[in-house]
Amino acid sequence: QKEVEQNSGPLSVPEGAIASLNCTYSDRGSQSFFWYRQYSGKSPELIMFIYSNGDKEDGRFTAQLNKASQYVSLLIRDSQPSDSATYLCGTDSWGKLQFGAGTQVVVTP
Amino acid sequence: GAGVSQSPSNKVTEKGKDVELRCDPISGHTALYWYRQRLGQGLEFLIYFQGNSAPDKSGLPSDRFSAERTGESVSTLTIQRTQQEDSAVYLCASSPSMMGETQYFGPGTRLLVL
Repeated sequence: QKEVEQNSGPLSVPEGAIASLNCTYSDRGSQSFFWYRQYSGKSPELIMFIYSNGDKEDGRFTAQLNKASQYVSLLIRDSQPSDSATYLCGTDSWGKLQFGAGTQVVVTP
Repeated sequence: GAGVSQSPSNKVTEKGKDVELRCDPISGHTALYWYRQRLGQGLEFLIYFQGNSAPDKSGLPSDRFSAERTGESVSTLTIQRTQQEDSAVYLCASSPSMMGETQYFGPGTRLLVL
């Protein structure tokens, strides 16, 4: 079992709709959780980080964390074609960051 | 200031040769990480340096892989006797400290082993 699991997609989302990405993790020692966006051929860039249970909102992005259920999600509201990318979920356990394989999101005009 | 930089940006080598990849972290960042990303795959943790502590080498795939870091500055990742399966993008990231801090990624080195 991988430490961090994500649905590989592709997740097809109409422009203007909400994209919902999910991630589960196995290490209960994980303390911080990250969502990175990676465009094809580019390096990952941080979208959100969250470390407390509940929701965290930043612009069109909302991260949700449930430590009891060991999942973290990312919502992208009003999806734009520029949101088309692979989204990587990462968990930090005492400094060691583990990533999922990523979910590819395709926003269709 | 400047972000994380890596060199070379691309490297083509022959099977069996050694390669050395370089990472310059953001100034003042004490933590430095190396990851490998094969085509279409997620990020694979390789090694982690934090200040002057012993590095966490638990992700290195074989003894052909090694990494060094001098203090809180430049790091080099060395792959000896390269194999075709070593072909990947090698990403370096740095963060201000150890736990829970945002990591900033470099542009990566694209390694192709023929």
